[in-house]
Amino acid sequence: LAKTTQPISMDSYEGQEVNITCSHNNIATNDYITWYQQFPSQGPRFIIQGYKTKVTNEVASLFIPADRKSSTLSLPRVSLSDTAVYYCLVGPRMDSSYKLIFGSGTRLLVRP
Amino acid sequence: DTEVTQTPKHLVMGMTNKKSLKCEQHMGHRAMYWYKQKAKKPPELMFVYSYEKLSINESVPSRFSPECPNSSLLNLHLHALQPEDSALYLCASSQVKASGAYEQYFGPGTRLTVT
Repeated sequence: LAKTTQPISMDSYEGQEVNITCSHNNIATNDYITWYQQFPSQGPRFIIQGYKTKVTNEVASLFIPADRKSSTLSLPRVSLSDTAVYYCLVGPRMDSSYKLIFGSGTRLLVRP
Repeated sequence: DTEVTQTPKHLVMGMTNKKSLKCEQHMGHRAMYWYKQKAKKPPELMFVYSYEKLSINESVPSRFSPECPNSSLLNLHLHALQPEDSALYLCASSQVKASGAYEQYFGPGTRLTVT
């Protein structure tokens, strides 16, 4: 499975846009890129998933270049409540399930 | 209902005890998962069930025994655990969204302490 590399931590201020980049040089043809958010003592929460180009939903955007060796999660206008750990994962689909291996994650701290 | 529930929230057990963790979802998902998470570490995949059949076992010690009695329920039976097994145990289920994306829904976890 493709290994991911993310910054260990990032700091930002309320109202700013935050971009977290993930490197996955060994991504396979059938791998999808998924981002999760986790608050302390809670289960991770799905943010966004993509295969190539750009994906946008109500909370974030995901940018994937043509070679798919990296991806960038963009959080527009962050607030204090966005302080959390963000995980980038890559993995294939398998029937109804899929195998996700979590990387070390990025601890985002949003300051007032 | 987009919720995965887990019971108990907290569990303290001795090394000779037998206990079980329970996970339930009523979203019609046909894949369910167990993860283990130590403090300040990412979740580690333990088991995957697909259509009530075990499809992945990530070389987990036999003192952890999963069971999927039906499509809504997932159990994790614990026996003769070690103190290093103390962790947050997370359950998840997944489906294919209309967009084609696969999304896992996680429960809040069971905080397990082995004494």
